[in-house]
Amino acid sequence: GENVEQHPSTLSVQEGDSAVIKCTYSDSASNYFPWYKQELGKRPQLIIDIRSNVGEKKDQRIAVTLNKTAKHFSLHITETQPEDSAVYFCAAKGSTGGFKTIFGAGTRLFVKA
Amino acid sequence: DVKVTQSSRYLVKRTGEKVFLECVQDMDHENMFWYRQDPGLGLRLIYFSYDVKMKEKGDIPEGYSVSREKKERFSLILESASTNQTSMYLCASSSWTGGRTNTEAFFGQGTRLTVV
Repeated sequence: GENVEQHPSTLSVQEGDSAVIKCTYSDSASNYFPWYKQELGKRPQLIIDIRSNVGEKKDQRIAVTLNKTAKHFSLHITETQPEDSAVYFCAAKGSTGGFKTIFGAGTRLFVKA
Repeated sequence: DVKVTQSSRYLVKRTGEKVFLECVQDMDHENMFWYRQDPGLGLRLIYFSYDVKMKEKGDIPEGYSVSREKKERFSLILESASTNQTSMYLCASSSWTGGRTNTEAFFGQGTRLTVV
C-alpha cells in the first residue's frame, strides 16, 4: 500500500541554524504534499504545502522542495528559533484510493537557545 | 476560521465497553477522517468518509467502526474497547474541490483515550 517515510525521527539544532527534514513516498500518483506542525498538546496545523506541478515553494523561513522523479520531498527551516520546536509531519495525498492522506511518522525538532 | 471540534479531550473507559468519539466540523467539508496518533508511528488512518453515509477503511480499521449520518458529524466507535486502543485520536476534515485537486486537512484538538 501507500507509504511515507520520514527522517530523522529526532533533530536537535542550535538557534539560528537550519533544519532539514526529508520524506519519501511510494505512490507515484500522489500530487499534494502538505507539512504539518504539532506543538506540544496542540492539534497538527498546516505550515506549508506543495503540489506536484511545482518543484519548490517558500514562505518566509520555511521552504519545501519536491523531486517527483525520486519521489522525495523536504522541509527546510532557516534561522531556527525556539518556537520552531515541535513535531513536524510530512504527508502525501493522491487522487486515487479515495482522498486519503498518508502521514510520515513525524520528526521531533528541538531548537536550543 | 475552520473549526473541528471533538467531544472530549480526555476519556477513560473500561475494557469491553462500547466507546463513541464524536467529531463536528462547521465548514461544510465533504471529507472527514479519523486518525490515531502513537509515539514513533505518526498519524495512522482508521477510517474516512467522503460523503454522508459513505465510509472507507483506512490502514488500521480493525476494532473500529464509524458513522456519518450528517455531513458535519463523523463518529468513531470502538465496539469493545481493548487496552491496545489506548491512544490519542484525531479527527480531521477537508474540502473536495472536484477533479484532482487536494486540499489541506483541518484537525480537531484530539481525544486522549485510556482503556483500563
